[in-house]
Amino acid sequence: DVKVTQSSRYLVKRTGEKVFLECVQDMDHENMFWYRQDPGLGLRLIYFSYDVKMKEKGDIPEGYSVSREKKERFSLILESASTNQTSMYLCASRTRDRALFGPGTRLLVL
Amino acid sequence: DAKTTQPPSMDCAEGRAANLPCNHSTISGNEYVYWYRQIHSQGPQYIIHGLKNNETNEMASLIITEDRKSSTLILPHATLRDTAVYYCIVSPRDDKIIFGKGTRLHILP
Repeated sequence: DVKVTQSSRYLVKRTGEKVFLECVQDMDHENMFWYRQDPGLGLRLIYFSYDVKMKEKGDIPEGYSVSREKKERFSLILESASTNQTSMYLCASRTRDRALFGPGTRLLVL
Repeated sequence: DAKTTQPPSMDCAEGRAANLPCNHSTISGNEYVYWYRQIHSQGPQYIIHGLKNNETNEMASLIITEDRKSSTLILPHATLRDTAVYYCIVSPRDDKIIFGKGTRLHILP
């Protein structure tokens, strides 16, 4: 089965820590995405990448950066985690016709 | 901002057809209509997409009006497992996917 995997399902970090969320896809997709989902705010796009080393900001990039050194891996980085970054983080990759989402990482920042 | 308008919630009896509407009056010629759904605590799941013709697959049917300003997703025989939030998205191929608030569909036993 083709799939998108995320490094952790649950993560607890302290304020100020540097946090890495990893996403890997095995489908040779060029486009990959990071979203966060919060109650009442829905799914919001943080960053997306349309090729290796290529990235574009989404709607809410503040406080985040990304890295895409290899086609299959797209990393989301919280340079200095804050409590307002407590959220569910979802990664996706897509073909021209459809996106496939990972299971999500639920991050708690204390 | 999302380019689509959907009712916030809908109910449907189990075994009946669920018809979920979506308005996208500002759709551009190169934009497709995509439908995804999200079951509680899971990532969104692709359902179907179309450009201007009606489409059908094993999950659902997509009816797009001739002027392309609206569409309807049809789940022909809804089951309790179809309870989810359904998102209608318009987007060119290969582009970013922006989610709106979607429609929360409740399937009633």
